[in-house]
Amino acid sequence: GQQLNQSPQSMFIQEGEDVSMNCTSSSIFNTWLWYKQDPGEGPVLLIALYKAGELTSNGRLTAQFGITRKDSFLNISASIPSDVGIYFCAGKDYNQGGKLIFGQGTELSVKP
Amino acid sequence: DTAVSQTPKYLVTQMGNDKSIKCEQNLGHDTMYWYKQDSKKFLKIMFSYNNKELIINETVPNRFSPKSPDKAHLNLHINSLELGDSAVYFCASSPWGPTGQGNSEAFFGQGTRLTVV
Repeated sequence: GQQLNQSPQSMFIQEGEDVSMNCTSSSIFNTWLWYKQDPGEGPVLLIALYKAGELTSNGRLTAQFGITRKDSFLNISASIPSDVGIYFCAGKDYNQGGKLIFGQGTELSVKP
Repeated sequence: DTAVSQTPKYLVTQMGNDKSIKCEQNLGHDTMYWYKQDSKKFLKIMFSYNNKELIINETVPNRFSPKSPDKAHLNLHINSLELGDSAVYFCASSPWGPTGQGNSEAFFGQGTRLTVV
């Protein structure tokens, strides 16, 4: 079945540092999404990517849709304590009812 | 205004019991989903409904039965609960088909933490 490999699994960083995480897939997706999950909450969409090579920003967050359509990365610049949470990449499969295939998640801890 | 709301937020029950989780969305979306998040935080789709019709059933045990009375509601009924069913269950909704718009991707509810003892 389709799988997404997300790395790193966890990160412990100092406030103000930049963060980078990425996802690779064994198959092509037409849409890549990045979600953030706070404790006790559901995932919230951060960035959506629709075209190969697309680079999109949302405040301090920047994400890119890989040219091969099999990978994506998310960068967070100048991290702050409220960036703490679990970040998930997801590939959207339109051939299967728009279901999302999620990566394993990157748990981010930010030390003030 | 809660976009996707699910109840209850917490559910503790004994093995063998039958329980239901309810989900409602007020976004006007055509498609609703149930996802399961295990203890390692891995999210996996269980079911998808489009306009009350089952689209996806990801080899979930038939003890799990989704029901969609209308396109704004998707409930999940679980029979004969087992210890391994303990997890967080998320309802989500989205428009049907490619949207190309970030504000039209899947919205998730707050989750229902199910604990089977």
